[in-house]
Amino acid sequence: EVQLEESGGGLVQPGGSLRLSCAASGFTFSGHVMNWVRQAPGKGLEWVSYISSSGSAIYYADSVEGRFTISRDNAKNLLHLQMNSLRAEDTAVYYCARVPYISYAMDVWGQGTTVTVSS
Amino acid sequence: ETVMTQSPATLSVSPGERATLSCRASQSVSSDLAWYQQKPGQAPRLLIYGASTRATGIPARFRGSGSGTEFTLTISSLQSEDFAVYYCQQYNNWPPMTFGQGTKVEIK
Repeated sequence: EVQLEESGGGLVQPGGSLRLSCAASGFTFSGHVMNWVRQAPGKGLEWVSYISSSGSAIYYADSVEGRFTISRDNAKNLLHLQMNSLRAEDTAVYYCARVPYISYAMDVWGQGTTVTVSS
Repeated sequence: ETVMTQSPATLSVSPGERATLSCRASQSVSSDLAWYQQKPGQAPRLLIYGASTRATGIPARFRGSGSGTEFTLTISSLQSEDFAVYYCQQYNNWPPMTFGQGTKVEIK
Protein backbone atom coordinates (compact mmCIF):
# COMPACT_ATOMS: atom_id res chain seq x y z
CA GLU A 1 0.00 0.00 0.00
CA VAL A 2 1.26 3.45 -0.93
CA GLN A 3 1.64 5.48 2.26
CA LEU A 4 3.12 8.65 3.66
CA GLU A 5 3.38 9.18 7.40
CA GLU A 6 4.43 12.48 8.96
CA SER A 7 5.95 12.91 12.39
CA GLY A 8 7.75 15.51 14.43
CA GLY A 9 5.02 18.02 15.08
CA GLY A 10 4.38 19.57 18.46
CA LEU A 11 4.23 22.72 20.56
CA VAL A 12 7.14 25.12 20.20
CA GLN A 13 7.77 28.66 21.38
CA PRO A 14 8.12 31.53 18.92
CA GLY A 15 11.65 31.60 17.58
CA GLY A 16 12.10 27.91 18.17
CA SER A 17 12.80 25.03 15.80
CA LEU A 18 11.20 21.75 14.78
CA ARG A 19 12.11 19.05 12.30
CA LEU A 20 9.30 17.27 10.54
CA SER A 21 9.75 13.91 8.86
CA CYS A 22 7.68 12.03 6.33
CA ALA A 23 8.20 8.28 5.94
CA ALA A 24 7.28 6.86 2.56
CA SER A 25 6.36 3.25 1.83
CA GLY A 26 4.79 1.17 -0.91
CA PHE A 27 6.36 3.02 -3.84
CA THR A 28 9.73 4.01 -5.29
CA PHE A 29 10.33 7.11 -3.19
CA SER A 30 13.50 8.10 -5.04
CA GLY A 31 11.56 8.47 -8.28
CA HIS A 32 9.09 11.08 -7.07
CA VAL A 33 9.03 14.80 -6.50
CA MET A 34 7.71 15.66 -3.03
CA ASN A 35 6.00 18.68 -1.52
CA TRP A 36 5.12 20.01 1.90
CA VAL A 37 1.71 21.69 2.18
CA ARG A 38 0.26 23.25 5.32
CA GLN A 39 -3.17 24.21 6.58
CA ALA A 40 -3.65 26.74 9.36
CA PRO A 41 -6.58 26.09 11.72
CA GLY A 42 -9.86 26.68 9.88
CA LYS A 43 -8.04 27.89 6.76
CA GLY A 44 -7.23 26.65 3.29
CA LEU A 45 -4.23 24.85 1.86
CA GLU A 46 -0.87 26.58 1.40
CA TRP A 47 2.03 25.10 -0.55
CA VAL A 48 5.25 25.32 1.48
CA SER A 49 8.10 23.62 -0.33
CA TYR A 50 9.10 21.37 -3.25
CA ILE A 51 12.02 19.01 -3.73
CA SER A 52 12.88 17.13 -6.89
CA SER A 53 13.40 13.38 -6.90
CA SER A 54 17.17 13.69 -6.58
CA GLY A 55 17.06 16.69 -4.26
CA SER A 56 18.84 18.90 -6.78
CA ALA A 57 15.94 21.32 -7.25
CA ILE A 58 14.29 22.97 -4.24
CA TYR A 59 11.73 25.75 -3.97
CA TYR A 60 10.01 27.51 -1.08
CA ALA A 61 7.04 29.74 -0.51
CA ASP A 62 8.06 33.31 0.24
CA SER A 63 6.49 32.97 3.69
CA VAL A 64 9.08 30.35 4.75
CA GLU A 65 12.09 31.18 2.54
CA GLY A 66 15.23 31.48 4.65
CA ARG A 67 13.65 29.83 7.68
CA PHE A 68 12.64 26.36 6.44
CA THR A 69 14.81 23.75 4.75
CA ILE A 70 13.49 20.77 2.83
CA SER A 71 15.62 17.67 2.35
CA ARG A 72 15.29 14.00 1.54
CA ASP A 73 17.11 10.74 2.20
CA ASN A 74 16.28 8.43 -0.68
CA ALA A 75 18.18 5.55 0.91
CA LYS A 76 15.85 5.69 3.93
CA ASN A 77 12.67 6.79 2.10
CA LEU A 78 12.44 9.89 4.23
CA LEU A 79 11.45 13.50 3.54
CA HIS A 80 12.28 16.22 6.06
CA LEU A 81 11.33 19.80 6.79
CA GLN A 82 13.62 21.70 9.14
CA MET A 83 11.74 24.68 10.51
CA ASN A 84 13.66 27.45 12.26
CA SER A 85 12.69 30.88 13.62
CA LEU A 86 9.11 29.71 13.98
CA ARG A 87 6.32 32.24 14.18
CA ALA A 88 2.74 32.08 15.41
CA GLU A 89 1.59 32.18 11.78
CA ASP A 90 3.42 28.91 11.11
CA THR A 91 0.87 27.12 13.29
CA ALA A 92 -0.76 24.56 11.02
CA VAL A 93 -1.18 20.95 10.07
CA TYR A 94 1.74 20.04 7.82
CA TYR A 95 1.22 17.46 5.10
CA CYS A 96 3.77 15.78 2.90
CA ALA A 97 2.47 14.98 -0.56
CA ARG A 98 3.74 12.96 -3.51
CA VAL A 99 3.82 14.24 -7.05
CA PRO A 100 3.06 11.55 -9.66
CA TYR A 101 5.08 11.10 -12.82
CA ILE A 102 2.39 12.50 -15.09
CA SER A 103 1.67 15.93 -13.61
CA TYR A 104 2.56 18.27 -10.77
CA ALA A 105 -0.68 17.61 -8.94
CA MET A 106 -0.33 15.80 -5.60
CA ASP A 107 -1.74 12.29 -5.66
CA VAL A 108 -0.77 10.82 -2.28
CA TRP A 109 -0.93 12.71 1.02
CA GLY A 110 0.05 11.85 4.55
CA GLN A 111 -2.35 12.26 7.45
CA GLY A 112 -0.57 15.41 8.61
CA THR A 113 1.33 16.47 11.70
CA THR A 114 0.32 19.45 13.81
CA VAL A 115 2.71 22.28 14.59
CA THR A 116 1.67 24.82 17.20
CA VAL A 117 3.82 27.90 17.76
CA SER A 118 2.86 29.59 21.00
CA SER A 119 4.36 30.90 24.20
CA GLU B 1 1.89 34.86 -8.17
CA THR B 2 -1.17 33.30 -9.76
CA VAL B 3 -4.19 33.91 -7.58
CA MET B 4 -6.89 31.25 -7.65
CA THR B 5 -10.42 32.36 -6.80
CA GLN B 6 -13.16 29.83 -6.10
CA SER B 7 -16.88 30.45 -6.09
CA PRO B 8 -19.16 30.17 -4.34
CA ALA B 9 -17.65 29.95 -0.87
CA THR B 10 -20.48 27.67 0.22
CA LEU B 11 -22.84 25.64 -1.94
CA SER B 12 -25.99 24.13 -0.45
CA VAL B 13 -27.18 21.14 -2.44
CA SER B 14 -29.65 18.33 -1.85
CA PRO B 15 -28.48 14.72 -2.24
CA GLY B 16 -28.96 13.55 -5.80
CA GLU B 17 -28.70 17.06 -7.23
CA ARG B 18 -25.90 18.46 -9.36
CA ALA B 19 -23.20 20.68 -7.90
CA THR B 20 -21.16 23.10 -10.00
CA LEU B 21 -18.02 24.64 -8.51
CA SER B 22 -15.97 27.34 -10.20
CA CYS B 23 -12.29 28.24 -10.08
CA ARG B 24 -10.74 31.25 -11.77
CA ALA B 25 -7.04 31.94 -12.25
CA SER B 26 -5.59 35.44 -12.34
CA GLN B 27 -3.54 34.44 -15.39
CA SER B 28 -3.57 31.49 -17.72
CA VAL B 29 -2.56 28.16 -16.20
CA SER B 30 -3.22 26.22 -19.41
CA SER B 31 -4.67 22.88 -18.25
CA ASP B 32 -2.38 22.57 -15.22
CA LEU B 33 -5.22 22.54 -12.74
CA ALA B 34 -6.12 20.02 -10.05
CA TRP B 35 -9.13 19.58 -7.81
CA TYR B 36 -9.00 18.13 -4.30
CA GLN B 37 -11.65 17.02 -1.85
CA GLN B 38 -11.12 17.41 1.88
CA LYS B 39 -13.34 16.10 4.65
CA PRO B 40 -13.05 17.26 8.28
CA GLY B 41 -9.98 15.86 10.00
CA GLN B 42 -8.70 14.23 6.82
CA ALA B 43 -5.97 14.98 4.32
CA PRO B 44 -6.93 16.30 0.89
CA ARG B 45 -7.69 13.73 -1.79
CA LEU B 46 -6.82 14.27 -5.44
CA LEU B 47 -9.92 14.15 -7.67
CA ILE B 48 -8.90 15.71 -10.97
CA TYR B 49 -5.62 16.66 -12.61
CA GLY B 50 -4.86 18.18 -15.97
CA ALA B 51 -8.16 20.06 -15.56
CA SER B 52 -10.25 17.10 -16.69
CA THR B 53 -8.57 13.75 -15.94
CA ARG B 54 -9.98 11.81 -13.03
CA ALA B 55 -7.45 10.42 -10.59
CA THR B 56 -7.33 6.71 -9.89
CA GLY B 57 -10.48 5.43 -8.22
CA ILE B 58 -12.48 8.65 -8.58
CA PRO B 59 -16.11 8.03 -9.59
CA ALA B 60 -17.35 9.20 -12.96
CA ARG B 61 -19.83 11.60 -11.34
CA PHE B 62 -16.87 13.96 -10.80
CA ARG B 63 -16.09 15.89 -13.97
CA GLY B 64 -13.56 18.64 -14.47
CA SER B 65 -13.54 21.07 -17.37
CA GLY B 66 -11.98 24.31 -18.54
CA SER B 67 -8.62 25.69 -19.57
CA GLY B 68 -6.73 28.94 -19.39
CA THR B 69 -8.32 30.90 -16.56
CA GLU B 70 -11.79 29.39 -16.09
CA PHE B 71 -12.40 25.94 -14.62
CA THR B 72 -15.37 23.99 -13.36
CA LEU B 73 -15.82 20.92 -11.19
CA THR B 74 -19.20 19.29 -11.66
CA ILE B 75 -20.55 16.59 -9.38
CA SER B 76 -23.43 15.13 -11.33
CA SER B 77 -25.48 13.54 -8.53
CA LEU B 78 -24.33 14.31 -5.03
CA GLN B 79 -23.89 11.38 -2.70
CA SER B 80 -23.71 11.68 1.08
CA GLU B 81 -19.96 11.12 0.99
CA ASP B 82 -19.44 14.08 -1.36
CA PHE B 83 -20.26 16.75 1.21
CA ALA B 84 -16.85 18.26 1.85
CA VAL B 85 -14.59 21.18 1.00
CA TYR B 86 -13.16 21.32 -2.51
CA TYR B 87 -9.97 23.11 -3.52
CA CYS B 88 -8.50 23.92 -6.89
CA GLN B 89 -4.74 24.21 -7.37
CA GLN B 90 -2.63 25.47 -10.26
CA TYR B 91 0.77 24.04 -11.07
CA ASN B 92 1.59 25.93 -14.24
CA ASN B 93 3.06 29.20 -12.95
CA TRP B 94 5.22 28.21 -10.05
CA PRO B 95 6.76 28.65 -7.61
CA PRO B 96 4.55 29.15 -5.84
CA MET B 97 1.94 26.52 -6.53
CA THR B 98 -1.29 28.13 -5.42
CA PHE B 99 -4.62 26.91 -4.14
CA GLY B 100 -8.03 28.48 -4.19
CA GLN B 101 -9.64 29.31 -0.86
CA GLY B 102 -12.05 26.40 -1.12
CA THR B 103 -15.75 25.77 -1.70
CA LYS B 104 -17.71 24.02 1.00
CA VAL B 105 -20.47 21.76 -0.33
CA GLU B 106 -23.07 21.31 2.36
CA ILE B 107 -26.35 19.48 2.63
CA LYS B 108 -29.38 21.62 1.80
